[in-house]
Amino acid sequence: KAGVTQTPRYLIKTRGQQVTLSCSPISGHRSVSWYQQTPGQGLQFLFEYFSETQRNKGNFPGRFSGRQFSNSRSEMNVSTLELGDSALYLCASRDRDRRSPGYGYTFGSGTRLTVV
Amino acid sequence: DQQVKQNSPSLSVQEGRISILNCDYTNSMFDYFLWYKKYPAEGPTFLISISSIKDKNEDGRFTVFLNKSAKHLSLHIVPSQPGDSAVYFCAASFTGNQFYFGTGTSLTVIP
Repeated sequence: KAGVTQTPRYLIKTRGQQVTLSCSPISGHRSVSWYQQTPGQGLQFLFEYFSETQRNKGNFPGRFSGRQFSNSRSEMNVSTLELGDSALYLCASRDRDRRSPGYGYTFGSGTRLTVV
Repeated sequence: DQQVKQNSPSLSVQEGRISILNCDYTNSMFDYFLWYKKYPAEGPTFLISISSIKDKNEDGRFTVFLNKSAKHLSLHIVPSQPGDSAVYFCAASFTGNQFYFGTGTSLTVIP
C-alpha cells in the first residue's frame, strides 16, 4: 500500500507570494489533516478534511486554506506569505473508523517551505 | 494554549538502559493517546497507542502507561537501542476529532 505522498518536498518563496502544497493520502483513507511543524512549537494543527468537507480547523489566520477533492487528494494554500510561515508542512491521512488498527495518522514526509 | 505538553526537550540514555519519555495533558476529555517517532527529514511514524479505558499497553520494547488521575502519559523503551534516537511526540484526541501534539522530546541513545 503506497504511503502518504506530499509534493513538492522543498519550496522557496518570497514574502507576499502564495503557495499551494499537495497531498495524496493512503488509498481508502478519506480523512486528510494538515500540520505545521516549527522548532519549539511541535506540530500545530491546521485543518482536517473528510469527504471533501472541512471537519476541524486549528487556530491559524485565514491566509491558510485547504480543500479536498473527490479522490481524497488534498491541497493546502497559503496566501501573502510571511517569513514566519517558514516551516515543515505535514499532511496525514487516517481511517476515521476507530475500530481500525490504523486509527492513528499516517504522515507524509512533509514539504519544507522557506519564505525569504 | 498547549493542551499536550512534553516538558523535556531532550533526553540522553545509554544503550541497553531504559528510556522514559513523559507527556502531560490538560483536557480530561481526551480518550485516545498515541506516540509518534520522527527522524529528520521524515514525517512522524506511529509507534504505539492507548485508549483511556486502559492504563498500560505494550508492544515489544515499547510500553505506554496512562495515569488518568494525574493526566500523565509515559513511554518506556526497554532496552534502548541507538536506532531509537529520534524525536518522540505524544498526541491526544477525544471523540475521534483532531489530535493535539506535544512539542516533542529528542531522544539520544548513546552506544
